[in-house]
Amino acid sequence: GAGVSQTPSNKVTEKGKYVELRCDPISGHTALYWYRQSLGQGPEFLIYFQGTGAADDSGLPNDRFFAVRPEGSVSTLKIQRTERGDSAVYLCASSVAPGQTYEQYFGPGTRLTVT
Amino acid sequence: QQQVKQSPQSLIVQKGGISIINCAYENTAFDYFPWYQQFPGKGPALLIAIRPDVSEKKEGRFTISFNKSAKQFSLHIMDSQPGDSATYFCSFPKGPGGGNKLTFGTGTQLKVEL
Repeated sequence: GAGVSQTPSNKVTEKGKYVELRCDPISGHTALYWYRQSLGQGPEFLIYFQGTGAADDSGLPNDRFFAVRPEGSVSTLKIQRTERGDSAVYLCASSVAPGQTYEQYFGPGTRLTVT
Repeated sequence: QQQVKQSPQSLIVQKGGISIINCAYENTAFDYFPWYQQFPGKGPALLIAIRPDVSEKKEGRFTISFNKSAKQFSLHIMDSQPGDSATYFCSFPKGPGGGNKLTFGTGTQLKVEL
């Protein structure tokens, strides 16, 4: 079956611009996670959705970052006033509801470059 | 905040050899320890996982050994193959109440040479 998909695969933007990154989780997965991975590092947690609501957004670095999941499926990560330090690979993962499994299925990521 | 120390940072092994990656942690409040494997340009994928009430788990050529008293666990790859060349991450889920969000180690880049 189809895995987690993310679009775009690459995004280059200028400092100060607004970007949106999209994630399509595996059908039927109620949990959705966003992580950020800098070069040579492990992924870092940003935000977790259970259904439509953000259950934990403690990893968002500041208020320029925001994510939504209005219908409990597709999610969009939004970054305002981008900075060069935002350059990283943004990974999305989905899972069957927590408590049923620990396994998360990751998409290929969106590589964001802020110039 | 969970602190995770993963070593080595990089590893070169000859084909057929044993690859060993270690992971040390501070907080013991976890009930599942997964290892993820990541190929270039791809997202991480679950490789193998162990629960803390088990000291060892083997799946094919991959084995996790867990030492609860030392707060560390290790991934062993037997008969390493060039196709195993990837980055490996230990990770800690926060558990169902925490949504299972993962804290990852810094990663070990494995290269298996012919």
